[in-house]
Amino acid sequence: KQEVTQIPAALSVPEGENLVLNCSFTDSAIYNLQWFRQDPGKGLTSLLLIQSSQREQTSGRLNASLDKSSGRSTLYIAASQPGDSATYLCAVMAGAGTALIFGKGTTLSVSS
Amino acid sequence: DGGITQSPKYLFRKEGQNVTLSCEQNLNHDAMYWYRQDPGQGLRLIYYSQIVNDFQKGDIAEGYSVSREKKESFPLTVTSAQKNPTAFYLCASSTLLGYTFGSGTRLTVV
Repeated sequence: KQEVTQIPAALSVPEGENLVLNCSFTDSAIYNLQWFRQDPGKGLTSLLLIQSSQREQTSGRLNASLDKSSGRSTLYIAASQPGDSATYLCAVMAGAGTALIFGKGTTLSVSS
Repeated sequence: DGGITQSPKYLFRKEGQNVTLSCEQNLNHDAMYWYRQDPGQGLRLIYYSQIVNDFQKGDIAEGYSVSREKKESFPLTVTSAQKNPTAFYLCASSTLLGYTFGSGTRLTVV
């Protein structure tokens, strides 16, 4: 059964720092991997989606990488800002149209 | 604007009562999903539907029921058989290009 793990569970950094969030999954046979952001009491906002054939995706200050063979993905946030404070969730899809399997998230706090 | 609408935002349920959470989408997505979120537990799949008039149980379906009579709508009923329903419920829809989530319903048992 696919399991998704995110490390660390919580992270506090000063503004301006570059940081990396980690996601690992136990079954490398995935269709895609998606990173989401969740603000307290809110729904999920999609940040980046990486198809299984891709190695990375970039959007603004965010870069996500995927290494299927090792079962790992990283989300790199450059020049962090207080507005980046949120919980970041990683999720994998095993096959086309199947349900996402989520990690428990990393809660990020960026202080000014 | 295309998106997913969940209502109500907050819902209170008395012991032994059934309640229904609404989820409507105008994205023309075939697949829809219900997830439950508890503190420290991440998101867990309750039910999903890949096509109208068809749905499958997820990991924690006991005490819940769904219907999919229209492509746009996927309501979730929390029955009295669900012993610990207090949680944050999220509805989503998807295409091969990714998922879109609603803003959630917070259900509390009183």
